[in-house]
Amino acid sequence: EVQLVESGGDLVQPGRSLRLSCAASGFSLDDYALHWVRQAPGKGLEWVSGISWDSGSIAYLDSVRGRFTVSRDNARKSLYLQMNSLRLEDTAFYYCAKGSSMSITNVLEYFDNWGQGTLVTVSS
Amino acid sequence: DIQMTQSPSSLSASVGDRVTITCRASQIISIYLNWYQQKPGKAPKLLIYAASRLQSGVPSRFSGSGSGTYFTLTISSLQPEDFATYYCHQTYNTPGGTFGQGTKVDIK
Repeated sequence: EVQLVESGGDLVQPGRSLRLSCAASGFSLDDYALHWVRQAPGKGLEWVSGISWDSGSIAYLDSVRGRFTVSRDNARKSLYLQMNSLRLEDTAFYYCAKGSSMSITNVLEYFDNWGQGTLVTVSS
Repeated sequence: DIQMTQSPSSLSASVGDRVTITCRASQIISIYLNWYQQKPGKAPKLLIYAASRLQSGVPSRFSGSGSGTYFTLTISSLQPEDFATYYCHQTYNTPGGTFGQGTKVDIK
């Protein structure tokens, strides 16, 4: 059974940093791209970042580029999101999602497994 | 950027009803459209990918259709466990794509 478990969410002040983790199990991490998708409380879904199976391709939502860094460690079966210079508008549940292919640019891409999410609250 | 517009934003229906949700793209996206279901406090769940392909384990009362800019998700006979919010998601413009704003289905 595929499982994705996020951790690291917390209450932080604007301008501070936070690192999210996602522990994966039940599938071969080397075979799939991974993504972060967020959802502000009571709002819709927004893709944040994606990383290909070998970390060779990485992409970000425009509003987080330069502040967030995604990485993965296939040996440790983990995905990470380093979030710097956090803003009020970054407040959201952050979900780790498994892609359907190795690439982040496959047009037939879909997110077939999701974690339960971790809450990041940015507030002074 | 490709904008995805769902309609309606919310609807009320009864168990056994046939429910249709539409999703329009701001430009042609071929069949690169997915549908997800999200229940309160839970993660999204993939229902349909590539416009009409049913994800493994999803009940056959769910179906998707469309191509180009117009897509529909249909629930043939609404069940109590189907009350949730539904999102469309285009991946023509990758990486990541964009989601619709969601359609909340609640009990009439």
